[in-house]
Amino acid sequence: DIHLTQSPISLSASVGDRVTITCRASQGVGNWLAWYQQKPGEAPRLLIHAISTLHTGVSSRFSGSGSGTDFVLTISNLQPEDFGTYYCQQANSFPRTFGQGTKVDFK
Amino acid sequence: QVTLRESGPALVKPTQTLTLTCTLSGFSLNTRGMCVSWVRQSPGKALQWLARLDWDGDKYYTTSLRGRISVSGDPSTSQVVLTLTNVDPADTATYFCARIPPDYYGSESYDFWGQGTLVTVSS
Repeated sequence: DIHLTQSPISLSASVGDRVTITCRASQGVGNWLAWYQQKPGEAPRLLIHAISTLHTGVSSRFSGSGSGTDFVLTISNLQPEDFGTYYCQQANSFPRTFGQGTKVDFK
Repeated sequence: QVTLRESGPALVKPTQTLTLTCTLSGFSLNTRGMCVSWVRQSPGKALQWLARLDWDGDKYYTTSLRGRISVSGDPSTSQVVLTLTNVDPADTATYFCARIPPDYYGSESYDFWGQGTLVTVSS
């Protein structure tokens, strides 16, 4: 199985900050890396797929980058609605796997 | 309007079989490239991918539950069923079903999710 390690596990930031979350895979995942946001009590919400493609309706403040085994989710100009936990997921091989999550809260 | 809705028992005893149903609306699993996956989340923990059922009947499973898990559903119907046998308290989780549309087939990205159903395994 491909193991995904996210860092940091949690972070506190202020409105307007630029936030970066990294996701490192135990082996290459090609183009098949997605990012989700989850708020307490809710289902996850797709933000980015195929490393850097923004899902329909998602704010352009979110962006994804990376290749091979190292990927980054960047949130520019952090807004209050961006709090929550962020997960990366790989779809290069079965079984699909998720990272352990990064919790973003506000200072 | 695309929706998915999970249903099933809220409480299951250890060693019993858990059966969850995902009812689809606004789309058909009979569409080429359409898939439905199951994902679970133990309280306070990360997401865990469980299984996937494709429009053509192909099925894929997590390795950690192999032998206990199965997914079924006639692509011509509007329901996808997840079965987990010999459950254990470690199977206590919120179970989600989610859609992979044809455009996202290669990336297995879930554009719509159900609200999730909490299942507790306890005697």
